[in-house]
Amino acid sequence: EIVLTQSPATLSLSPGERATLACRASHSVSTYLAWYQQKPGQAPRLLIHDASNRATGIPARFSGSGSGTDFTLTISSLEPEDFAVYYCQQRRNFGGGTKVEIK
Amino acid sequence: QVQLQESGPGLVRPSGTLSLTCAVSGGSISSNNWWTWVRQPPGGGLEWIGEIHHSGTTNYNASLKSRVTMSLDKSKNHFSLKLTSVTAADPAVYYCARARILGATYTFDIWGQGTMVTVSS
Repeated sequence: EIVLTQSPATLSLSPGERATLACRASHSVSTYLAWYQQKPGQAPRLLIHDASNRATGIPARFSGSGSGTDFTLTISSLEPEDFAVYYCQQRRNFGGGTKVEIK
Repeated sequence: QVQLQESGPGLVRPSGTLSLTCAVSGGSISSNNWWTWVRQPPGGGLEWIGEIHHSGTTNYNASLKSRVTMSLDKSKNHFSLKLTSVTAADPAVYYCARARILGATYTFDIWGQGTMVTVSS
């Protein structure tokens, strides 16, 4: 079973700053990785699939990169609505999440 | 636009059975997707429970397999989850979600709003 480890657990940033979130897989998953955003009281929303492809309707400030075991989700300039929890996912496994909070 | 909606009791007694249904609208449950359940305990992360295909094929989380049954009703365009022998470890928001291959990746691209299930006598 793949184990996904996300870091940091919490990221404190201000609107307009760049956010860089990491996800590490216990062994290679090629580029078969997705990212989700979850706001309080809401279901997760798919952001990125295939490690770097934005899902339909996702703003260009969200980008994903990586392959093998190391992946990154970058939010180029944080908007107020981007403060949320982010999860990586590979097949049936989810990472523990990174909370992006307002500094 | 496919939408999912969970329904079922929000309160289950310890050792009882949790039963939830997910109604699929705007699309057919017979499409080539996997219909899944994911749960999230209060303040916790996401846990995949299992999946069912319109062919009837199911896959379950190994840690829950002995207690989980999923089924699908094509005539009603919905699918269901039963989790038996519930304990204090089972309270969570239960989400139904559609899983499909996007590009080359298995993704959960559509989610229900979630339903909170509490375990209490």
